[in-house]
Amino acid sequence: EAGVAQSPRYKIIEKRQSVAFWCNPISGHATLYWYQQILGQGPKLLIQFQNNGVVDDSQLPKDRFSAERLKGVDSTLKIQPAKLEDSAVYLCASSHGQGPPETQYFGPGTRLLVL
Amino acid sequence: QQQVKQSPQSLIVQKGGISIINCAYENTAFDYFPWYQQFPGKGPALLIAIRPDVSEKKEGRFTISFNKSAKQFSLHIMDSQPGDSATYFCAASPGTYKYIFGTGTRLKVLA
Repeated sequence: EAGVAQSPRYKIIEKRQSVAFWCNPISGHATLYWYQQILGQGPKLLIQFQNNGVVDDSQLPKDRFSAERLKGVDSTLKIQPAKLEDSAVYLCASSHGQGPPETQYFGPGTRLLVL
Repeated sequence: QQQVKQSPQSLIVQKGGISIINCAYENTAFDYFPWYQQFPGKGPALLIAIRPDVSEKKEGRFTISFNKSAKQFSLHIMDSQPGDSATYFCAASPGTYKYIFGTGTRLKVLA
């Protein structure tokens, strides 16, 4: 089966600009996650969707970050305006959604550099 | 309470040696403990996972040892190979879909 797809792979922007990341999960996976991975740290969950509903967004900086999952499939994560500390790899993952615990399958990530 | 502490931060092992990475947690609600392997430029991939009702799980050269009373678990890589050079993350889940990841261990296996 095809894996989790993400684009773009790399993005360089100036601070205060906006940026958007796209994720296409594994077909049939109901649960989708966005993680932020800062260099030298483990992934930190930003938001979790179950189908097109938000399950957990407790660690999403809602003043600048937003995410949506259209029709319960693809998802976009947006940052507006970006800050220097947003420089990180943004990972998208998906899982079956049939009941925890579940294996989370990760995409290759989008590496963001904010100058 | 929600943290997973991982050590060491980096590890260098000779080819054929044993690599050992340790993790500790505080939250007794955690009931699922996966290990992920991440190569540069790639997303993490599940390596092996354990539930707290067993003390050890082995898959090929990879073994998880779990000590419920000490709230610690570790990954052992037997006969380490240069291809095992990667960053390893432990994680814990409190019976939900959510994972709490450790800070990662960068493993380098010398040929």
